[in-house]
Amino acid sequence: DIQMTQSPSSLSASVGDRVTITCRASQDIKDYLGWYQQKPGKAPKRLIYAASNLQSGVPPRFSGSGSGSEFTLTISSLQPEDFATYYCLQHNTYPVTFGQGTKLEIK
Amino acid sequence: EVQLVESGGGIVQPGGSLRLSCAASGFTFSRDWMHWVRQVPGKGLVWVSRINSDGTTADYAGSVQGRFTISRDNAKNTLHLQMSSLRAEDTAVYFCTRDLVAWGQGTLVTVSS
Repeated sequence: DIQMTQSPSSLSASVGDRVTITCRASQDIKDYLGWYQQKPGKAPKRLIYAASNLQSGVPPRFSGSGSGSEFTLTISSLQPEDFATYYCLQHNTYPVTFGQGTKLEIK
Repeated sequence: EVQLVESGGGIVQPGGSLRLSCAASGFTFSRDWMHWVRQVPGKGLVWVSRINSDGTTADYAGSVQGRFTISRDNAKNTLHLQMSSLRAEDTAVYFCTRDLVAWGQGTLVTVSS
């Protein structure tokens, strides 16, 4: 199975900060990568698909980049509603695999 | 609006069985791959299974292969997950998802004696 290594596992930041989360795949997954946001007690919500494409309805402060085995999710200016846990997901090869998550907390 | 509503969760003893269902609406259910993903409370997301649009192809995570069966009823816009030989480590919230894009709110399965 492809291993997805996310970093950091947790992050403290302030409203207005720019934050970056990284996901590394154990092998080449081309651009078959998505980013998800999950709030406590809620279902995950896809933010980014195909590594860099913004899901409809998602604010443009979210962006994704990368291909192959290194990917990043950037939030350009944190808003209060962005404090949540973020996961990457590879779907190049089955079984699809998620990163372990990055918990973004208020500083 | 896409809606996915899971049901069928509950408490079951180790070795027991449970059938989860997911009622879909707001899209053409018969055209999409459907998946189950689970999450131990407080932990990360783990993919469980998927099924193609007409129900002829299914894949499973190694941890559930041979114990879980995914199926669908396109006439009733419903996805199922038949779980048997349940173990404590199957305890989780189970989400159904339309092609890993839209997600239901999940149903909690607890395996405990």
